[in-house]
Amino acid sequence: AQSVTQLGSHVSVSEGALVLLRCNYSSSVPPYLFWYVQYPNQGLQLLLKYTTGATLVKGINGFEAEFKKSETSFHLTKPSAHMSDAAEYFCAVSETGTASKLTFGTGTRLQVTL
Amino acid sequence: EAGVAQSPRYKIIEKRQSVAFWCNPISGHATLYWYQQILGQGPKLLIQFQNNGVVDDSQLPKDRFSAERLKGVDSTLKIQPAKLEDSAVYLCASSLDGWQYFGPGTRLTVT
Repeated sequence: AQSVTQLGSHVSVSEGALVLLRCNYSSSVPPYLFWYVQYPNQGLQLLLKYTTGATLVKGINGFEAEFKKSETSFHLTKPSAHMSDAAEYFCAVSETGTASKLTFGTGTRLQVTL
Repeated sequence: EAGVAQSPRYKIIEKRQSVAFWCNPISGHATLYWYQQILGQGPKLLIQFQNNGVVDDSQLPKDRFSAERLKGVDSTLKIQPAKLEDSAVYLCASSLDGWQYFGPGTRLTVT
């Protein structure tokens, strides 16, 4: 069985500050890992994904995440927050070889202040 | 390329009433998913279709929820009768190459 834990349901940063959203996973097999963003009243948009290969993954809008097997983590970062980054962010895991059967975390709401 | 379309976007019903949601996936996407997203939680898979066949419906409350994808394209999700705890956003997603693309969702409020 797979599971995802997102530490911190709400994160607030100042515009221009580092964004760090934490995600830890549990999986009995090598996982595929995903970060999705959800803006108000919209569906989920894929930010980035890790399948195999390079452990540092770059996504859209300047976000990146690093897969750390030893720490079972896949934290999302962005060097400089922008007001438009305010949204809900979801980490998800699926079994190797498929992006089906996604298991989502409970989400982290990112607030960006002036 | 048009995205995943869903309707209606919002629906308010009273408990014990029935409701139906519609999803039109991205053209050519064989796999279609329905998720339930309760406020404050991540999306939870209800049912997965491959063309018009069900792949996984293990988390679908079959006593009140039903879904179909008769021609392997559009899909409908029905709840009958609705309960208060069904209040949620119902998301549809489709995929061709394994990566899921989500629609905007239908927000259901049961009073």
